[in-house]
Amino acid sequence: ETAVFQTPNYHVTQVGNEVSFNCKQTLGHDTMYWYKQDSKKLLKIMFSYNNKQLIVNETVPRRFSPQSSDKAHLNLRIKSVEPEDSAVYLCASSTLGAQDTQYFGPGTRLLVL
Amino acid sequence: GEKVEQHESTLSVREGDSAVINCTYTDTASSYFPWYKQEAGKSLHFVIDIRSNVDRKQSQRLIVLLDKKAKRFSLHITATQPEDSAIYFCAASPNNYAQGLTFGLGTRVSVFP
Repeated sequence: ETAVFQTPNYHVTQVGNEVSFNCKQTLGHDTMYWYKQDSKKLLKIMFSYNNKQLIVNETVPRRFSPQSSDKAHLNLRIKSVEPEDSAVYLCASSTLGAQDTQYFGPGTRLLVL
Repeated sequence: GEKVEQHESTLSVREGDSAVINCTYTDTASSYFPWYKQEAGKSLHFVIDIRSNVDRKQSQRLIVLLDKKAKRFSLHITATQPEDSAIYFCAASPNNYAQGLTFGLGTRVSVFP
């Protein structure tokens, strides 16, 4: 049963363009995350948001920015995409604690030409 | 920061046998260790986790062991079935508020008849 929704599923764009990915969770969770999975399947945390506050901001390039309107939504904007941004972007959510299970969305695959 | 090493990159097991995946971590503050399964073209699906207050947990055919002294944890898939074929990721999380997960590189498990 899907409870973390992501759009779009797939996006193709050119270098320098701006893209925005959406994520919504219906689990009533307090914390949401964005992860990047590269072509070698390596998964890395990018951001986490709790009650509209940025909790973790790993060393990601400044062109990436998370945007949240409420605790059920966390979008990801990339201002000027570069070829190395081609990856799958996974959104996840959990309740408040660090020991709580994170549930992942289906992912958005980005291809930068 | 935390580093998680997943020791087996691939595992090939005969149907009905057991598969074991081993992971080690570096941060003694880590206290939560989930496992995820990723089938081809799909997102991460939570399968089982263990917290640092126990050293063993079982859920049906899955067993997770945790050795805090050695900073090692493992996933045992017993009585493997073809549908167990997937990439399995181990992860670790410190007991910090809303921290993201640090993932291993994944183990591709193939179950053959």
